[in-house]
Amino acid sequence: GAGVSQSPSNKVTEKGKDVELRCDPISGHTALYWYRQSLGQGLEFLIYFQGNSAPDKSGLPSDRFSAERTGGSVSTLTIQRTQQEDSAVYLCASSPRLGTGDTEAFFGQGTRLTVV
Amino acid sequence: AQKITQTQPGMFVQEKEAVTLDCTYDTSDQSYGLFWYKQPSSGEMIFLIYQGSYDEQNATEGRYSLNFQKARKSANLVISASQLGDSAMYFCAMRGNQGGKLIFGQGTELSVKP
Repeated sequence: GAGVSQSPSNKVTEKGKDVELRCDPISGHTALYWYRQSLGQGLEFLIYFQGNSAPDKSGLPSDRFSAERTGGSVSTLTIQRTQQEDSAVYLCASSPRLGTGDTEAFFGQGTRLTVV
Repeated sequence: AQKITQTQPGMFVQEKEAVTLDCTYDTSDQSYGLFWYKQPSSGEMIFLIYQGSYDEQNATEGRYSLNFQKARKSANLVISASQLGDSAMYFCAMRGNQGGKLIFGQGTELSVKP
């Protein structure tokens, strides 16, 4: 696709339910990032992928959070047994490659998750 | 560990004037990249400008320039001739030489007054 696509754009779920958030990166981008942004706050790093592997999972808040990437493309972020504090906008970004060159990350529009 | 610090939660600037948004960083990497993003109220993240740690010249992109002072570990964003449409959150970010984690500061909310 032309840009990073995230679905759903909005998700309201009941506390305790599991949710899956999807990210479809720009075709050919090998690096993929997940961030969480609470209202009025900065971007909290969750995890990144190089291809299908996740060298750094240090940002995942708890073992209720997991993510995978298949085929070096689509990624899903799964939150089990959701809690109200999980409510936030979840942003996905992709980058052509890793490296410190001018490889800026391109962001999707985000998924707004509300846990009620 | 890498860290980005933006000490200005909010800034005001008069339309057509220049404004500087501060960013300091901390890293032990020899090679790294610094980025600025704009986030309007719509929520999208818009890439503005990039500076590599070995770049000798300060980066410029139109009305945006990056005042890079490596010894002071600062990478301030300068917006010249502010426009009303510049009102947004601005985030400074860094990626280290392992090319992995891209970390962000807490952001600065810029308001441009007519």
